[in-house]
Amino acid sequence: AQSVTQPDIHITVSEGASLELRCNYSYGATPYLFWYVQSPGQGLQLLLKYFSGDTLVQGIKGFEAEFKRSQSSFNLRKPSVHWSDAAEYFCAVRGGGADGLTFGKGTHLIIQP
Amino acid sequence: GAVVSQHPSWVICKSGTSVKIECRSLDFQATTMFWYRQFPKQSLMLMATSNEGSKATYEQGVEKDKFLINHASLTLSTLTVTSAHPEDSSFYICSANRPGGGNTEAFFGQGTRLTVV
Repeated sequence: AQSVTQPDIHITVSEGASLELRCNYSYGATPYLFWYVQSPGQGLQLLLKYFSGDTLVQGIKGFEAEFKRSQSSFNLRKPSVHWSDAAEYFCAVRGGGADGLTFGKGTHLIIQP
Repeated sequence: GAVVSQHPSWVICKSGTSVKIECRSLDFQATTMFWYRQFPKQSLMLMATSNEGSKATYEQGVEKDKFLINHASLTLSTLTVTSAHPEDSSFYICSANRPGGGNTEAFFGQGTRLTVV
């Protein structure tokens, strides 16, 4: 069975500083990988996804993520965070195209002024 | 704009009553939809896969008689929480995969906050 680990429950970053959110997955083959952001009481917004090809993927709002097969990782990065980036971030994996997603426990991002 | 619409966005019901939540794909046909549950400050857990024209597939530990899923058309799946109890209070989110082969993206509804009193 697939699984996703987000080792950081909370991360605090100063506004304007760089950000990296960690995600490790477990899956037997090449997975489909996703990062979602959720504001309080809201649904999920897709930031970016990796299906195949270039291992560095660009997403919305200035986010990017790098797929590293050797480390089973798909870390999310942003060079300079804004106060509006404060939210809950979820990494997710899907095995097949018709399968549901398996989510990590999420990382709560706090932005300090 | 939203491609998956979920209704209602919030509902309060009395213990013992049933609540129906709708999930619609707005601009594509979805033979498969998914229902997730999210407890406060926790992650989303897949409850079941809704299959158009056939029975839903439930994840281990999810009571199929309590969480009734109907996928009667290619654009609508419903989740009915039967005989709701306070422990069923949660955030329920649906998603649908836009057809397109293996590289399909999941689109999520806005979620439904259920409070059972």
